[in-house]
Amino acid sequence: EVQLVETGGGLIQPGGSLRLSCAASGFTVSRIHMTWVRQAPGKGLEWVSLIYAGGSTYYADSVKGRFTISRDNSKNTLLLQMNSLRAEDTAVYYCARGDYYMGVWGKGTTVTVSS
Amino acid sequence: QSVLTQPPSVSAAPGQKVTISCSGSSSNIGNNYVSWYQQLPGTAPKLLIYDNNKRHSGIPDRFSGSKSGTSATLGITGLQTGDEADYYCGTWDSSLSAVVFGGGTKLTVL
Repeated sequence: EVQLVETGGGLIQPGGSLRLSCAASGFTVSRIHMTWVRQAPGKGLEWVSLIYAGGSTYYADSVKGRFTISRDNSKNTLLLQMNSLRAEDTAVYYCARGDYYMGVWGKGTTVTVSS
Repeated sequence: QSVLTQPPSVSAAPGQKVTISCSGSSSNIGNNYVSWYQQLPGTAPKLLIYDNNKRHSGIPDRFSGSKSGTSATLGITGLQTGDEADYYCGTWDSSLSAVVFGGGTKLTVL
């Protein structure tokens, strides 16, 4: 069964760092385009980042220079390193399989940036 | 302010049909494929339609998608109370080199 499970969320102070993980099962992360999408409380979906199977990466302007998407092929896991976190980064973070459309989504992990 | 424009809400009675519009520009909808997602309360989004009009695996044919120019439309027929959810359109934006979503439309089945 194809499945994605996100972990790593939590409460973090402004300016801090957090690394999110997305463990995949049923397929190989390194062979598939993968995406992070977030949703602030009561708000709509916001695309965060994309990594193509070939390794190219793209970022939303709101996170460029602060977030880094990558893969841990040995663990079949998608990663999102988040630095210099701000209050406006507070959201549920979803990982999803796909690039311009996302066919499989995880349940999400909550990141709260607050002092 | 979302790059793609959707109506904040739509409503219809059970058994009726509803359409949800998604308006963009030549840099996104006009030259790229559109997808649609359903998000039931408290759950992750679920893909309904991809490549403008292809239903994702397991999605009933009550759901349909279309695109014309720089706008796209999601249609839902035979409305059920279980269809009450937020619906989002999405596509690639070639100018931004980013995926863009609409602001979402809340469907109420009266």
